[in-house]
Amino acid sequence: DAMVIQNPRYQVTQFGKPVTLSCSQTLNHNVMYWYQQKSSQAPKLLFHYYDKDFNNEADTPDNFQSRRPNTSFCFLDIRSPGLGDAAMYLCATKTTALPEAFFGQGTRLTVV
Amino acid sequence: AQSVTQLGSHVSVSEGALVLLRCNYSSSVPPYLFWYVQYPNQGLQLLLKYTSAATLVKGINGFEAEFKKSETSFHLTKPSAHMSDAAEYFCAVSAYGGSNYKLTFGKGTLLTVNP
Repeated sequence: DAMVIQNPRYQVTQFGKPVTLSCSQTLNHNVMYWYQQKSSQAPKLLFHYYDKDFNNEADTPDNFQSRRPNTSFCFLDIRSPGLGDAAMYLCATKTTALPEAFFGQGTRLTVV
Repeated sequence: AQSVTQLGSHVSVSEGALVLLRCNYSSSVPPYLFWYVQYPNQGLQLLLKYTSAATLVKGINGFEAEFKKSETSFHLTKPSAHMSDAAEYFCAVSAYGGSNYKLTFGKGTLLTVNP
């Protein structure tokens, strides 16, 4: 029944070691988002895809990249994680037919 | 441009008491408005949404919210709090129609329910 699936749920990575988080969806939604949420803060939009069109937020660090090889999958790559990148990363999807976004369960990233 | 202000980062109520979580929005175009709930180490779950139909919107788990254009508010209420309502609540806004698909969140309100 899960519609937006994020893997893994918990990820521990070493300082400076590249890491990839994944998101898949069974909803066939054309919009996919990546949000970063630090402890006790609101989710912050990093970027989003409308179909294959990539939209980067102006303040998203270059250290964060994303790939969307097809409608169902989207990846978040952190090239050189720093301690400040420890956060919950949320993937969400949306169809143009509905106003709301649908969220996955999130990936909790720890940087050691 | 759009933004959301949630008044009160932490609200504490007794079980059975009224829950009121406040949200004010700013939007240059007619907005869509949402309340999401987040339990610890979970994603966000949609509670309810306003889409320019009825101004009083009913959602899941007994929650409702009223859109007041004159006050630019979209406060969330529940008549009687339950222990299971303890969570973080986020108000969010997006633009109505067009190609702006961004969802902007408020800072969240942590709801504590005391027995």
